[in-house]
Amino acid sequence: EAEVAQSPRYKITEKSQAVAFWCDPISGHATLYWYRQILGQGPELLVQFQDESVVDDSQLPKDRFSAERLKGVDSTLKIQPAELGDSAMYLCASSPQDRETQYFGPGTRLLVL
Amino acid sequence: DAKTTQPPSMDCAEGRAANLPCNHSTISGNEYVYWYRQIHSQGPQYIIHGLKNNETNEMASLIITEDRKSSTLILPHATLRDTAVYYCIVRVTGTASKLTFGTGTRLQVTL
Repeated sequence: EAEVAQSPRYKITEKSQAVAFWCDPISGHATLYWYRQILGQGPELLVQFQDESVVDDSQLPKDRFSAERLKGVDSTLKIQPAELGDSAMYLCASSPQDRETQYFGPGTRLLVL
Repeated sequence: DAKTTQPPSMDCAEGRAANLPCNHSTISGNEYVYWYRQIHSQGPQYIIHGLKNNETNEMASLIITEDRKSSTLILPHATLRDTAVYYCIVRVTGTASKLTFGTGTRLQVTL
């Protein structure tokens, strides 16, 4: 069964450093999502792509976060500089098209010291 | 987005049916009910979804009331591996179709 791949699975960094997370969606899925999940809470959407275009980035802290999906396949989420409050699980999900069922990857757990 | 209300926690004995309720009294006619679960330290796993009819797959059954104001997820024979947080989500069907997660129900399956 096809799955969403994410790397790294765990990342520890110091405050003010840059970090990057990678996501490879299920093959053929046009829509890709990045969510952030703070411990004890449900995931919250950061950014949604349709192919290579951003559809919704209203909750993305654009002063320090950036996301790209240059060829409409895999995607990278970057934080620069990282802050203590960025410690969370970063989840990637994909769906065949917008409004269809989303399938999640295993996530990247970030700890900022 | 229609808001959902779930009990914060439930217990279920292994081998018994787990019935997880969800209230969504403000749901609109074109909004689906989705269920996901999240086992500790893993990404959410899709379980099932429905609009108005009851649905069943290899994982679970979804029962939606006739007025669509509530639903129940049924795991027919719970196992220890079903211990997880279960999220009931009403799906926005607009230009951006994000999932809005609440805090879910923590299901503990015990021996």
